[in-house]
Amino acid sequence: DTGVSQDPRHKITKRGQNVTFRCDPISEHNRLYWYRQTLGQGPEFLTYFQNEAQLEKSRLLSDRFSAERPKGSFSTLEIQRTEQGDSAMYLCASSLVIGTQGGYEQYFGPGTRLTVT
Amino acid sequence: AQSVAQPEDQVNVAEGNPLTVKCTYSVSGNPYLFWYVQYPNRGLQFLLKYITGDNLVKGSYGFEAEFNKSQTSFHLKKPSALVSDSALYFCAVRDPGTNAGKSTFGDGTTLTVKP
Repeated sequence: DTGVSQDPRHKITKRGQNVTFRCDPISEHNRLYWYRQTLGQGPEFLTYFQNEAQLEKSRLLSDRFSAERPKGSFSTLEIQRTEQGDSAMYLCASSLVIGTQGGYEQYFGPGTRLTVT
Repeated sequence: AQSVAQPEDQVNVAEGNPLTVKCTYSVSGNPYLFWYVQYPNRGLQFLLKYITGDNLVKGSYGFEAEFNKSQTSFHLKKPSALVSDSALYFCAVRDPGTNAGKSTFGDGTTLTVKP
């Protein structure tokens, strides 16, 4: 299966610790997205990359959050000084976007569930 | 700003009956609209999309959706529900005119199909 993969699947950390998540998109996909999902809500957009360029960041993404996609392949999402409110499922998705066409669907990974104690 | 509303948290139908999961949207221009399904412990899976053209779009697993511009709706439908259709369904919108990268999702509707 060559779908989107995320690592780890689960992470339990203590408040104040830093955590880093990894996402490996579908290999030929040039766009990569990060979303956050809490119970009873849909995914909330955090940020996205076109190849290695980070094109947009949500205002939800405080300065404790940083994301990178250094070689335009895998991406990492780091949360510094975690807070209990950061507990959520963090989803990664990827897409293949050709030219300026925007009607592409996203392919999601299984998510990383973060619990901050 | 773009937004999506799924007015029903839960939809219950009997197997073999038709099902409808409702979605309404708000965007400044012509929308791109999507439906995704989420099974327990699995990522969201793409079902279908409306980009342009025919208002009735067909997707995976026998699902279809009807785009209604005047009612700003994109309801998901299936003529005959299966127990295996039980899952969490998300509607999503993307406004191509302002931000072609960001998708906004509804809060989801839990579909339960009873035998």
